[in-house]
Amino acid sequence: QKEVEQNSGPLSVPEGAIASLNCTYSDRGSQSFFWYRQYSGKSPELIMFIYSNGDKEDGRFTAQLNKASQYVSLLIRDSQPSDSATYLCAVKGNNRLAFGKGNQVVVIP
Amino acid sequence: NAGVTQTPKFQVLKTGQSMTLQCAQDMNHNSMYWYRQDPGMGLRLIYYSASEGTTDKGEVPNGYNVSRLNKREFSLRLESAAPSQTSVYFCASSEAPAGEHTDTQYFGPGTRLTVL
Repeated sequence: QKEVEQNSGPLSVPEGAIASLNCTYSDRGSQSFFWYRQYSGKSPELIMFIYSNGDKEDGRFTAQLNKASQYVSLLIRDSQPSDSATYLCAVKGNNRLAFGKGNQVVVIP
Repeated sequence: NAGVTQTPKFQVLKTGQSMTLQCAQDMNHNSMYWYRQDPGMGLRLIYYSASEGTTDKGEVPNGYNVSRLNKREFSLRLESAAPSQTSVYFCASSEAPAGEHTDTQYFGPGTRLTVL
């Protein structure tokens, strides 16, 4: 089983809709969880991190963590064309970040 | 602040050639990392340095060496390049030493390397 799994994309959403991204991880000892956004040809940039069970909101983004079920999700509300990118889930454990392969999101105007 | 800088931005090598990728950060971060990103594989950790003077292997260290020259600089060396090392290489840094609860990593712009 891969350390960090993201369901295969791409995900197409209409402008203004909610985009929902999911990520599961295998190491129960993982402590911190991160979502990065990566535009084509660019480097990853942090959207937000979460380390407590529940929801964490930052603007149009909400991260949700459920350690018992070992998943973390990202919701993007009121999706904009500028949100079209690949979203990377990363999980902290064993002194390093393990990344998922990413989910491509395409927002259709 | 420039953040994390990498040189060069692009490089083409022939099989067997050597080169060093340079990375520097001006955020006074303790930890630095080298990743490679390949289509369909995601980001994979090559080496990291939790603090000045220390380096550790990551997921895919074979064929690479690193040097933590000082707190600011962390270089990645390919001694004898192979076509399998064609990839995009990202350097990253974080404030916390590895093992801290939060470890936000900031990435450089990347180096696109092609080995023929």
